[in-house]
Amino acid sequence: DAGITQSPRHKVTETGTPVTLRCHQTENHRYMYWYRQDPGHGLRLIHYSYGVKDTDKGEVSDGYSVSRSKTEDFLLTLESATSSQTSVYFCAISGQNSPLHFGNGTRLTVT
Amino acid sequence: RKEVEQDPGPFNVPEGASVAFNCTYSNSASQSFFWYRQDCRKEPKLLMSVYSSGNEDGRFTAQLNRASQYISLLIRDSKLSDSATYLCVVNKDGNNRKLIWGLGTSLAVNP
Repeated sequence: DAGITQSPRHKVTETGTPVTLRCHQTENHRYMYWYRQDPGHGLRLIHYSYGVKDTDKGEVSDGYSVSRSKTEDFLLTLESATSSQTSVYFCAISGQNSPLHFGNGTRLTVT
Repeated sequence: RKEVEQDPGPFNVPEGASVAFNCTYSNSASQSFFWYRQDCRKEPKLLMSVYSSGNEDGRFTAQLNRASQYISLLIRDSKLSDSATYLCVVNKDGNNRKLIWGLGTSLAVNP
């Protein structure tokens, strides 16, 4: 399995609080992605990164920001959590034009 | 019309049976295709890429029909451990930023 870990695995937070999810990889892959998965929707891309300090928005980026200061770490921040951001968040990594490999996910509940 | 459509199932089959899933896509320019499996409350895992000529990996066979814009997955001699949700993924332009994920087909293999 690809060396990719997410933390925390579960989090419950209150509306309006900031939350940061971490993705760490040991594969030295250039590309990293943050997705969310919700019932009735396919996986949806939030943000992705194509290198250190190089990031761009995905399909559902509103309310989220990311940072990548090192190759191995990609952080997702919910600036002010809302109930609509209750979801399962997956980080993924890939080489160029190669399939994605996912971390084991973070279950976030915003109350 | 959704960009990627799958029959949600559930498909219930006895152990040892064969089962096939189809996935249709709307963008005729789509360039690459994948099947992932996802166990309950786990991350998606790459099952196989789908090549134009069709490809086989053990009990699994994937095929692509560009004319009719669908991909298929055939599982032969199904095992209890094949029970999962199978996700169809289409890459619209060869860039992983443009992956479109189906909602998945649920398979239950019964003893």
